[in-house]
Amino acid sequence: AQKVTQAQTEISVVEKEDVTLDCVYETRDTTYYLFWYKQPPSGELVFLIRRNSFDEQNEISGRYSWNFQKSTSSFNFTITASQVVDSAVYFCALSEAVTGANSKLTFGKGITLSVRP
Amino acid sequence: EAQVTQNPRYLITVTGKKLTVTCSQNMNHEYMSWYRQDPGLGLRQIYYSMNVEVTDKGDVPEGYKVSRKEKRNFPLILESPSPNQTSLYFCASSINTGAGQPQHFGDGTRLSIL
Repeated sequence: AQKVTQAQTEISVVEKEDVTLDCVYETRDTTYYLFWYKQPPSGELVFLIRRNSFDEQNEISGRYSWNFQKSTSSFNFTITASQVVDSAVYFCALSEAVTGANSKLTFGKGITLSVRP
Repeated sequence: EAQVTQNPRYLITVTGKKLTVTCSQNMNHEYMSWYRQDPGLGLRQIYYSMNVEVTDKGDVPEGYKVSRKEKRNFPLILESPSPNQTSLYFCASSINTGAGQPQHFGDGTRLSIL
């Protein structure tokens, strides 16, 4: 069975601090996909990134970066120079990679990030 | 604009009164799914559909029904709602069931069952 653990439940930082959100996953599949979604206070879910299990390259997008380490089953998300607009709940999710199967996302419980001015 | 539209956004109702939450996507996506979000539990899949007339149970299907008569619509039906179905519901779609396709989510429907 697949499982995603986000051990941090709430994080509070001051604006301009860097912050890392941890994600640890479990799966028996050799091929799978990992995702991060952002849920701002308005409630919608915003897709941030997708990474497949064969691609362990780190990715950077502006102030956001992701570190995928298959050896530790982790897919951590770092926000550099955080801003108040980064305040949100962040979800890590996992899906299997079998074409034609249920594309279910297995979500972690989410991390509430508060960025104070 | 590509989007997944859910209605209503908010609903307060009473136990036992049948309700339907509609979901429509304009991206010609094959795959659609419903999730519920509860505090401390994250999101859990209720039902999914891989194409028209093809639906199946997710992880928490009890108390819910769905239908997929047209590609764009995937309504969630609560025949006899109960208070434990008070939750935030999301509809999602992706282009197909191909591996790792990002899912596009609607804005959510907050249901309160009294």
